[in-house]
Amino acid sequence: TQLLEQSPQFLSIQEGENLTVYCNSSSVFSSLQWYRQEPGEGPVLLVTVVTGGEVKKLKRLTFQFGDARKDSSLHITAAQPGDTGLYLCAGVTEYGNKLVFGAGTILRVKS
Amino acid sequence: DTAVSQTPKYLVTQMGNDKSIKCEQNLGHDTMYWYKQDSKKFLKIMFSYNNKELIINETVPNRFSPKSPDKAHLNLHINSLELGDSAVYFCASTQRSRNEKLFFGSGTQLSVL
Repeated sequence: TQLLEQSPQFLSIQEGENLTVYCNSSSVFSSLQWYRQEPGEGPVLLVTVVTGGEVKKLKRLTFQFGDARKDSSLHITAAQPGDTGLYLCAGVTEYGNKLVFGAGTILRVKS
Repeated sequence: DTAVSQTPKYLVTQMGNDKSIKCEQNLGHDTMYWYKQDSKKFLKIMFSYNNKELIINETVPNRFSPKSPDKAHLNLHINSLELGDSAVYFCASTQRSRNEKLFFGSGTQLSVL
């Protein structure tokens, strides 16, 4: 059983479209991170959210942490081909201080 | 300068062989990790070392043995390789052991034939 469920698993869209990726759990996390991984490379941290209800923006990317700190979303506005990659959410468990990863969302943006 | 570097990038080997993957970080971090990413892209932690001391050892076959000669290096030795060991192995590091921002290496793609 996976602690963090990500949806959708795959997303193929046209340049200029908007999209949202979801990261859900029944567990509470003390913080949640979003990473992007490109082919042949390791994941790179995009953002960390810590407070329930927190919203962070990174250019066209908007990250939100759920009020109960059990879920998170990543919204991309006007997607570009450079956004293509694997998006991973990762939560720090409240008691174990362990970082657990979701299964990832593969995003492909076509020009 | 690469922050977290691991070698080799690709490793193709026969079942039953023993192989090693090396990792070095020049960030001055205290904690290093080994993660395994399977064909479905799921990243799972294998080991974590803090200042050369093992702090996380997930349910990993004892054919996998990490070694940390100093806090900048964490190597992974795998004995008697099996087909199911085929995956991408990532080394990572953080400043402290509380799972703060992870810096990943670029991965070692292991193929066991």
